[in-house]
Amino acid sequence: QVQLVQSGAEVKKPGASVKVSCKASSYTFTNYGISWIRQAPGQGLEWMGWISVYTGNTDYAQQFQGRVTLTTDTSTSTTYMEMRSLTSNDTAVYYCARDPGKGRFAPWGQGTLVTVSS
Amino acid sequence: QSALTQPASVSGSPGQSITISCTGTSSDIGTYNYVSWYQQHPGKAPKLMIYDVSNRPSGVSNRFSGSKSGNTASLTISGLQAEDEADYYCSSYTTSSTFRVFGTGTKVTVL
Repeated sequence: QVQLVQSGAEVKKPGASVKVSCKASSYTFTNYGISWIRQAPGQGLEWMGWISVYTGNTDYAQQFQGRVTLTTDTSTSTTYMEMRSLTSNDTAVYYCARDPGKGRFAPWGQGTLVTVSS
Repeated sequence: QSALTQPASVSGSPGQSITISCTGTSSDIGTYNYVSWYQQHPGKAPKLMIYDVSNRPSGVSNRFSGSKSGNTASLTISGLQAEDEADYYCSSYTTSSTFRVFGTGTKVTVL
């Protein structure tokens, strides 16, 4: 079945960077984009950005522009989300989700907890 | 871009029907038919329940239905069951610099 598998939990210090991976399987990787969405503890969902796997084009939510970079490796069907200059406010579960381009997120990865603490 | 507005909580008894509203603006729900709904159980990843306002993915119960009027979308759960107790989020494509926006989330409680 279509599946997205994310990398494991991370603990980072303030000011550091983190790179989370999302490996796709059981579908034609280049036919869909991937969105990244985060959820702070006890909070709602926040859309971060989208990458077209086919073209490499990206859209970022304004609040993440310049601090988040999405990339893709078609040889391994993997998408990456890198976030720089981490603060405690970035502590959250980060999800990837398949997104054909207009926000239909399905399926989702299992989530990656990123904890930012000194 | 502010989040779409949902009620914080909705409750109902088993077998009843409930409706969750999702209010946006003319920049998102009012313009696009790209409204989707997600169910999230505690500690789990969200699951797509409705897409493009009213379409159900394969495998989702027909007890779930979606609609839209103006700047407001709605999710209706008919024949409420204990397993429906979860958080529900709406989402829409948007013309703003956010591109995609989520609702504030609604906790559904089965009494």
